[in-house]
Amino acid sequence: IQLTQSPSSLPASVGDRVIITCRASQGISTYLAWYQQKPGKAPKLLIYAASTLQSGVPSRFSGSGSGTDFALTISSLQPEDFAAYYCQQLNGYPYTFGQGTKLEIK
Amino acid sequence: EVQLVESGGGSVQPGGSLRLSCVASGFIFSVSSLNWVRQAPGEGLECVSYISSTSSTIFYADSVKGRFTISRDNAKNSVYLQMNNLTVEDTAVYYCAGGDFWSGYHPWGEGTLVTVSS
Repeated sequence: IQLTQSPSSLPASVGDRVIITCRASQGISTYLAWYQQKPGKAPKLLIYAASTLQSGVPSRFSGSGSGTDFALTISSLQPEDFAAYYCQQLNGYPYTFGQGTKLEIK
Repeated sequence: EVQLVESGGGSVQPGGSLRLSCVASGFIFSVSSLNWVRQAPGEGLECVSYISSTSSTIFYADSVKGRFTISRDNAKNSVYLQMNNLTVEDTAVYYCAGGDFWSGYHPWGEGTLVTVSS
């Protein structure tokens, strides 16, 4: 199963509302997770089951979608949110990742 | 504190072998599925292998099938990745991560670097 994230790069400013999309090559129900990765660090789970917020993750992060189209929304960007974001499908092994979206300071 | 710590990475020549280890603490390891995920320098993430809590279910990525072997020792809270016949394409940071299809991958270790070069 292929995942296509858009955009690959996203310039934004603190306070902006941003949306990152992830499209699957076939239906995956809601078996989708979102991760944040900062340089030199391991990925961090933000969202699982497409829309369930991982414990400890700020509520400005939210996920939506089912089937083939998904979105990660950050309601009001904070300085610590500038990082790379990846979606991952968990509908069938191998649990593939999207190519990533780099959220950059405008 | 929930923690995974990898070890065993290093530099090896093509055709060589390495064994990665990952020790867990702070969560009930024996009921947790474990995974190995890798990230080549400057690249994205790739799931390498999965092992269920009882070792009854094991998966591999096609790119490593027949060369890598995942195993676990619940008495030692540890999961392993035996990597044989390594190629330059296996150069990456290898992460150990808990989790399964219903929960996503959490927690993650800090990663261990494997470099395959002549």
